[in-house]
Amino acid sequence: DTEVTQTPKHLVMGMTNKKSLKCEQHMGHRAMYWYKQKAKKPPELMFVYSYEKLSINESVPSRFSPECPNSSLLNLHLHALQPEDSALYLCASSQEITGLSGYTFGSGTRLTVV
Amino acid sequence: GQNIDQPTEMTATEGAIVQINCTYQTSGFNGLFWYQQHAGEAPTFLSYNVLDGLEEKGRFSSFLSRSKGYSYLLLKELQMKDSASYLCAVRGDQTGANNLFFGTGTRLTVIP
Repeated sequence: DTEVTQTPKHLVMGMTNKKSLKCEQHMGHRAMYWYKQKAKKPPELMFVYSYEKLSINESVPSRFSPECPNSSLLNLHLHALQPEDSALYLCASSQEITGLSGYTFGSGTRLTVV
Repeated sequence: GQNIDQPTEMTATEGAIVQINCTYQTSGFNGLFWYQQHAGEAPTFLSYNVLDGLEEKGRFSSFLSRSKGYSYLLLKELQMKDSASYLCAVRGDQTGANNLFFGTGTRLTVIP
């Protein structure tokens, strides 16, 4: 299995809703990432988990809450989002030490906040 | 902070060669990646450079000069399917993590 799987592929949520994005990989990668990508813009790093511990939080608002239950799963809990949070949310994983094969990205969750 | 620059758009002809440049100024450097991203899809890995010089992989080559903070991606024998965004990304050197920061991306259009 050489894929990063993200669910759901599409999500529409209201500003008062609570929802979660899920990401799964079975490549034995020990680093996992959340990126946010707005239309026609590059991905922006949000969070990095290394060995299931949060190692980087790029000043992301608290309405985004990441969770890494185990080495294969990464969640992003969403609460009280704003319309400007609408974007493509990409999950990625990599080997912790070398990353020579690059980062493997999931196909993303397209989130619309109404 | 991180500053990674690429041209916004480029157009090239099918069968030709195109070079996409990337300049970077980052707090730490531990490798530079090139990714291809078609509209609405996830980025896919193309190449990785950590030492100066040229890395060749089929129709794609990538070059790095660390002293100049400069890289380029060279695409040969362009095909219509190469129309996509090309993202330059730099990995920082924070201990215990592999953070990856993306440039602005270059949207390449291949015309017949």
